Amino acid sequence: DTGVSQDPRHKITKRGQNVTFRCDPISEHNRLYWYRQTLGQGPEFLTYFQNEAQLEKSRLLSDRFSAERPKGSFSTLEIQRTEQGDSAMYLCASTTGVGSYNEQFFGPGTRLTVL
Amino acid sequence: AQSVTQLGSHVSVSEGALVLLRCNYSSSVPPYLFWYVQYPNQGLQLLLKYTSAATLVKGINGFEAEFKKSETSFHLTKPSAHMSDAAEYFCAVSVNEYENKLVFGAGTILRVKS
Repeated sequence: DTGVSQDPRHKITKRGQNVTFRCDPISEHNRLYWYRQTLGQGPEFLTYFQNEAQLEKSRLLSDRFSAERPKGSFSTLEIQRTEQGDSAMYLCASTTGVGSYNEQFFGPGTRLTVL
Repeated sequence: AQSVTQLGSHVSVSEGALVLLRCNYSSSVPPYLFWYVQYPNQGLQLLLKYTSAATLVKGINGFEAEFKKSETSFHLTKPSAHMSDAAEYFCAVSVNEYENKLVFGAGTILRVKS
């Protein structure tokens, strides 16, 4: 068990470009969450998956954002036509099952800078 | 809607002094509350959680928190600060056991002076 990993750790892109981030959860964790953290703020919920099913998307997730978890293992978060306001830390977390407010294990995050 | 307010974006204490980080929540249903710590360039790590059992919750690294419903608070304390405690601390609330989405406060950066 090596924990939740995210790739890349840093991404610098120009406005209008597309970017994709990857999250590898702890093996056998069937729940996966994406959060966004801007400077000086706490993480904000974006979306979550139960296995391969995306169960909820926040209003923060505009049409330019899409997330997938094709085989119920790793997940990708894509941002199309990036804007400067997308600059943030994108965090992924995973947990087992439902109920009992199981601990979410967080990855180190991907820091996105849009120039 | 659920929300969390952390009073004080920065707290500075001397090594060996009491650490007190404040958290107040707003929830229309009984909340489940969490404290996470984030060290530079690392992911968030769970310190402790309140899930309606004991109101005084003990966590890792000597931290504890007390749930006070009448005050809608869940303050984090540690009797004696250590240099290694310097980090950013987040209070979070979850009110739906199935979804388990976390709503975080803005965070408090703890500085420990030698």
